[in-house]
Order: sequence, then structure tokens, then C-alpha cells
Amino acid sequence: AQSVTQLDSHVSVSEGTPVLLRCNYSSSYSPSLFWYVQHPNKGLQLLLKYTSAATLVKGINGFEAEFKKSETSFHLTKPSAHMSDAAEYFCVVSDMEYGNKLVFGAGTILRVKS
Amino acid sequence: KAGVTQTPRYLIKTRGQQVTLSCSPISGHRSVSWYQQTPGQGLQFLFEYFSETQRNKGNFPGRFSGRQFSNSRSEMNVSTLELGDSALYLCASSLFPSGGTDTQYFGPGTRLTVL
Repeated sequence: AQSVTQLDSHVSVSEGTPVLLRCNYSSSYSPSLFWYVQHPNKGLQLLLKYTSAATLVKGINGFEAEFKKSETSFHLTKPSAHMSDAAEYFCVVSDMEYGNKLVFGAGTILRVKS
Repeated sequence: KAGVTQTPRYLIKTRGQQVTLSCSPISGHRSVSWYQQTPGQGLQFLFEYFSETQRNKGNFPGRFSGRQFSNSRSEMNVSTLELGDSALYLCASSLFPSGGTDTQYFGPGTRLTVL
């Protein structure tokens, strides 16, 4: 089974409108979950992480994500998109099932229209 | 604090050659992980080193190898290069080995092109 599934390869929103990037994971244990962002020709930057504390996680730049165990989801949201949010976003899982290494989703490219 | 640095940033090699990439972690970080990023396969884990020992290895052929030095700097080597090895190679460092709550910080990557 796919360990991390990002449900949309591309998402397009208008500036000032909400952002929703969807992620489902597969894990037999208690996973750690992350969202990373990659701007063109740049490395990966951590947006936020879930590590079995609060299920609603707040990150940088106004992003947040909610861990829903019953739905095995960890969707990323932001109330109002900014042009600078245009980038590729990766949902990442880590747990014992995967040897405690980071396993990346395929990525979602976010386009923000003016 | 300086971030993770990777050298060189760009490399062009021909098939059959070998290449060595370098990664300097954030000061104080002892864990270094390497990833390969390609359009077709996405981001894939190569290996992880902690205190000069390989802790974890991804599903890559033996042509891919790495090591870590006592100052935590790491190198990865790819021998007998193939066209399919063209990729962005990312290095990440963290205080502790992966699998816990520790955050991995990524460098800008080395873009390898194999002709």
C-alpha cells in the first residue's frame, strides 16, 4: 500500500482565497507527519509537524494541518493564499513501519493566481 | 546559525564516471540523511548516518555509498554513473537520528546531470 498519498498533483487558487492540500497516509504504528515546502531551485523547508501531541498543528506562514486518525488524513490548510505560497508541497510520514526514515508523498504543486 | 551546505551545487558528468557530493550539517547536528529527487520517482531516501555509522539505507544499488566524518560532515559517492542517476541530491541534518520528533533541515541540493 502507498504509504503517503497526496490526492492532488496540482492545485490552483486565487490570491486571498483558502488553500487545501490533501494528504492520506498509511501507518500501522503512531506516525510522525510533516509538511515540507520546496520553492523552485531551493531545498525543502519544514512547514509543520505532528508528533502525537495536539491534533491541530500550526506551522509557519499561516499554515496549519489537522491529524485525523479515523480518516488517516493530514490535510494542509491556509485561510488566505499569498503569491509567495506558490511552490511544491510534500506530505511526509515517518514511523517504525518505514524503518523510521522519512517517506515522501509525490508532491502537490500550488499555483496562486493574482 | 549557518544552514546545511552542499557542494558543489551543480555537476555534469558522463556515463561510467564516478562522483562525490559533500554535505556540511548545521553546527551541532550529528545526523545526516541523503535523498534523491527526480521527476519520475519523486523524493527517495538514500541513507542516513549518525555518529559516523550508517543507521538506515534505502533501496538503491551498491553503486551509491556514503560516509560520515568525525566532524559530522558527510559525503556520498556514486560510481559507474548511469543516465538515470541524473537528479537533485538533497542532504538533511538533524540533532538526533530520524524517527523521532526531531526536525530534518535540508540543504539546497546538488544538481547532477549525467550525459
